[in-house]
Amino acid sequence: DAKTTQPPSMDCAEGRAANLPCNHSTISGNEYVYWYRQIHSQGPQYIIHGLKNNETNEMASLIITEDRKSSTLILPHATLRDTAVYYCIVRGTQGGSEKLVFGKGTKLTVNP
Amino acid sequence: GAGVSQSPRYKVAKRGQDVALRCDPISGHVSLFWYQQALGQGPEFLTYFQNEAQLDKSGLPSDRFFAERPEGSVSTLKIQRTQQEDSAVYLCASSSGTYQPQHFGDGTRLSIL
Repeated sequence: DAKTTQPPSMDCAEGRAANLPCNHSTISGNEYVYWYRQIHSQGPQYIIHGLKNNETNEMASLIITEDRKSSTLILPHATLRDTAVYYCIVRGTQGGSEKLVFGKGTKLTVNP
Repeated sequence: GAGVSQSPRYKVAKRGQDVALRCDPISGHVSLFWYQQALGQGPEFLTYFQNEAQLDKSGLPSDRFFAERPEGSVSTLKIQRTQQEDSAVYLCASSSGTYQPQHFGDGTRLSIL
């Protein structure tokens, strides 16, 4: 089962920041938080991942709380092309399987 | 392009037929994964290879499902005696090494009539 909880859907206005929350209260010390998104009829797309420090790349920023029990993915200036299902995934890096366990994700709709 | 390539993009088969789905990973990627995605659901893990070794096949739903990667590059997912419940999108992903981000293809949509 997925180790994360996300709201099923969110809306955002075009040009505004989209803040997608994720709860992962049972995360353990060696587990990273990964974010993927899936646009309709395409495969999932890797966005960003982090352990405990905040991370930023050309697509998004990832803010992880100090206790690591939750995180927020930030799309700073959402566009219509950011409409997708966003998946927050927790995965370890020591031993165990490398598989990703997807939950139901958050369907983000960016409105004009 | 340089991404993960899957073929065919769409496959229709009659119940009971065998099907083979192909995945060309990103060049040089040692890890390769197969996932199954039912309509409206998130992808579910099927199996994983590191080079030619199949390290985890815990997600394969039955012995009708078989995956191989004989030369550590291209992989084939084979489904024998297909059933209607096998209808889904089959996704392939590859990564450059242990616990690196996985990069997905756009999948093969399989419809069993």
